[in-house]
Amino acid sequence: DTGVSQNPRHKITKRGQNVTFRCDPISEHNRLYWYRQTLGQGPEFLTYFQNEAQLEKSRLLSDRFSAERPKGSFSTLEIQRTEQGDSAMYLCGVGNQPQHFGDGTRLSIL
Amino acid sequence: AQSVTQPDIHITVSEGASLELRCNYSYGATPYLFWYVQSPGQGLQLLLKYFSGDTLVQGIKGFEAEFKRSQSSFNLRKPSVHWSDAAEYFCAVGDTGNQFYFGTGTSLTVIP
Repeated sequence: DTGVSQNPRHKITKRGQNVTFRCDPISEHNRLYWYRQTLGQGPEFLTYFQNEAQLEKSRLLSDRFSAERPKGSFSTLEIQRTEQGDSAMYLCGVGNQPQHFGDGTRLSIL
Repeated sequence: AQSVTQPDIHITVSEGASLELRCNYSYGATPYLFWYVQSPGQGLQLLLKYFSGDTLVQGIKGFEAEFKRSQSSFNLRKPSVHWSDAAEYFCAVGDTGNQFYFGTGTSLTVIP
């Protein structure tokens, strides 16, 4: 049990569609991070929340990406008008300098 | 800018042999350093972390790592590898600004 639940585990969609992922920490954590991991690479930082405030965003996070953490607990990551290059594993981490990660959502763009 | 280099893409060791995975970082101040392990299709599990103090840190599953400022290194070690240690290992560096950077990982294969 990683302490972080991510849904769905897998998402297959057609190019141009919108997708939304959800991250649910089992216990309260002030900090929540989103990372993207492509095959054979390390995770890349996307964005970070302190409670409900989104404090940092990577340049990787184009305007097609949006993340929210409305009540400072769960978080959602939405990708609009998906592209082939969005295919990756999307990881959610919580804790100081993220110490607990979920198993990720694997996105495949057809 | 911070960066992390893991020079070895893939390492193969025999079960029971010792292991050392290399990690070099680039950072202007004293970094926060981490090692994570990732099994196929799974998320990341934190093995150990270094913030300050004793430069030899102990982690879970019998792993340890040593911070060497002069070499900008934070190598991960284990005296005797078990077959269940086969996985991908990531070194990461963090700063006080909450940015967090991962290396490209080292894939470990354990042979009987």
